[in-house]
Amino acid sequence: QVQLVESGGGVVQPGGSLILSCAASGFTFSTNNMHWVRQAPGTGLEWVAFIKYDGIKTYYADSVWGRFSLSRDNSRNTLYLQMNNLRHEDTAVYYCATDRNWGFDYWGQGVLVTVSS
Amino acid sequence: QAVVTQEPSLTVSPGGTVTLTCGSSTGAVTSGHFASWYQQKPGQAPRAVIYDTTNKHSWTPARFSGSLLGGKSALTLSGAQPEDEADYFCLLSYDTSRRVFGRGTKLTVL
Repeated sequence: QVQLVESGGGVVQPGGSLILSCAASGFTFSTNNMHWVRQAPGTGLEWVAFIKYDGIKTYYADSVWGRFSLSRDNSRNTLYLQMNNLRHEDTAVYYCATDRNWGFDYWGQGVLVTVSS
Repeated sequence: QAVVTQEPSLTVSPGGTVTLTCGSSTGAVTSGHFASWYQQKPGQAPRAVIYDTTNKHSWTPARFSGSLLGGKSALTLSGAQPEDEADYFCLLSYDTSRRVFGRGTKLTVL
């Protein structure tokens, strides 16, 4: 069955960096577009970033543009989110998700990122 | 930045029917927004319910349906079950870099 397992979360100081990973299994990762979506504590969902199946094209929400970078290693079935210059408002649970017709299909269980001094 | 609007909360009786809606501050929601819907229960990751306005995922119960209604995207639940109590979020895709969630509807089955 499809599994998406995020890792790499933790506590980081404002201005710091963190790399999240999403390990995929149970489907053909290399032919699937992928997303990251986040959810701040007690609030709603926010789309963060999208990467095409071949890794050539990436797209970002305005709130993270220029600070976050999305990449993938299709040989390792893994998605990465490099987060730089982190702010308090980046504190959230980060989910990776598969793409389905401009929406999302399968979701991981999420990983918590806390930006705090 | 477009704002996506949803009812903050709705209540439905067990076995009853309820419609959740999803509107856009930019105007009528159309099929070109590829509306999708997600269910989230406390402490869990979201689960996809509807994609591309009307399409069910393979795991979506038949009692859920998606449509366009009065310039909005709509999620209708017919024959509500206790396990349907959850937060429901809609997503509208304006373009590749603008995908906006609504703030969610808390659905109570009571």
